[in-house]
Amino acid sequence: AQSVTQLGSHVSVSEGALVLLRCNYSSSVPPYLFWYVQYPNQGLQLLLKYTSAATLVKGINGFEAEFKKSETSFHLTKPSAHMSDAAEYFCAVSSNTGNQFYFGTGTSLTVIP
Amino acid sequence: KAGVTQTPRYLIKTRGQQVTLSCSPISGHRSVSWYQQTPGQGLQFLFEYFSETQRNKGNFPGRFSGRQFSNSRSEMNVSTLELGDSALYLCASSFRLREPYNEQFFGPGTRLTVL
Repeated sequence: AQSVTQLGSHVSVSEGALVLLRCNYSSSVPPYLFWYVQYPNQGLQLLLKYTSAATLVKGINGFEAEFKKSETSFHLTKPSAHMSDAAEYFCAVSSNTGNQFYFGTGTSLTVIP
Repeated sequence: KAGVTQTPRYLIKTRGQQVTLSCSPISGHRSVSWYQQTPGQGLQFLFEYFSETQRNKGNFPGRFSGRQFSNSRSEMNVSTLELGDSALYLCASSFRLREPYNEQFFGPGTRLTVL
C-alpha cells in the first residue's frame, strides 16, 4: 500500500529564507511521487514529479525536491521564499496502477514579509 | 488547450437533498477522477472513470456515485446530503496510458455547502 506523511501542517518562513516542506512516503513498490500546490479557491497545480529518472527533481517557480530512498523522503525546497509562495502544498504518491493518488494532509506555507 | 472545467463552482444545499456536479476533462483525456477535500480529512479519492466505466473506487458510501459520458465528461452525484458532505470536490483528468503513473490535471473544484 502507498501513503505519504507530511510533517508540519503549518510552516512559516520569512521572505527570502529557505523553504523546506517535508514528505515521507511508504510504498511497497518503487514510488512515483508528486508535489502539488493549491492557492486559495483554486484546484491543485503540479509543482514537480519524481519518476525515477533523477533523484533531484526541479519543478516550477524555483522549487525542487530530492528523492532519498534510504530515508523514504521526498522533501520540497526553495532557496528563497517569495510572498507569492504562500499556499497549501500537498505531497502525493501514485497507486501501482498509476491512476489513483494518495495525498498527504498538506502543509500550509506562510511567508512573512 | 483548455484546462479541466468544473460546474458549478459553488453550491448550497440542505440536508436530505441531492446534488450533481459536472467535470469536463482536458481534450483528449479519457480518465476522470474525483476527490473530496475537507479540512479534517484532507484530499480523499472518490472514484475514477475511464471509457465510461468506473475503474477505481475509494472508501465512500453508496450515496456517492458517478458516471462518465462518451465524450469523457463526468458527473458525480451525492444523494441524501449530510452536513459532513460539505467540502471542495475536485476533478482531475489524465490520459490514462499504460504507464506506471499518470499525471493528473486538476480543475478548480466545486465548493459544496450543506446546511
